Amino acid sequence: EVQLVESGGGLVQPGGSLRLSCAASGFSFNTYSMNWARQAPGKGLEWVSSISASGSYMYYGDSVKGRFTISRDNAQNSLYLQMNSLRVEDTAVYYCAREGDGGSPLDYWGQGTLVTVSS
Amino acid sequence: QSALTQEASVSGTVGQKVTLSCTGNSNNIGSYAVGWYQQISHGAPKTVMFGNSLPSGIPDRFSGSKSGTTASLTISGLQPEDEADYYCSTWDHSLSARVFGGGTRLTVL
Repeated sequence: EVQLVESGGGLVQPGGSLRLSCAASGFSFNTYSMNWARQAPGKGLEWVSSISASGSYMYYGDSVKGRFTISRDNAQNSLYLQMNSLRVEDTAVYYCAREGDGGSPLDYWGQGTLVTVSS
Repeated sequence: QSALTQEASVSGTVGQKVTLSCTGNSNNIGSYAVGWYQQISHGAPKTVMFGNSLPSGIPDRFSGSKSGTTASLTISGLQPEDEADYYCSTWDHSLSARVFGGGTRLTVL
């Protein structure tokens, strides 16, 4: 059974940093691209970033480019999101999601972890 | 505004057939498979359609299709538990980004 479990969320002040983790199990992690998406309170889903299976290619949404860094450790079956220079508008539930084969849609999602940016 | 356009709200009665649409362009829907995601009360999204495939465990009253730059999710035989927000998403090669629609709130009357 595919499982994705996020952790690392919490309360942080504006300008601060946070690192999210996603522990994957139930599939060959090193053969799938992975994504982060988020949902601000009362808003829709927003894609944040993706990373290729090997970790060689990373893509970012415009709202986080230059501030967030996606990475992965295939030996540990783990996905990460380093978030720097956090803003109030980054407050959201962050979801880890698996991407289907060959650039296919996202197929499995985690339960999410809440990040609150507030002074 | 979102790269993909969805109806803000759709409603139907129990047993009715409803269709949700998702409109994009040749850089996204016109080139890539579309995923549909159900979100109940802002819980974790659940994939209800993956391209034209129904994920394991999703009732076969859900079906998906695509014509040109518009994708559709059809629910035949609407059930009370289908009341949720539905989002469509795909890759956009001109943006080098994954894009989401703004979401459709489906109400079962």
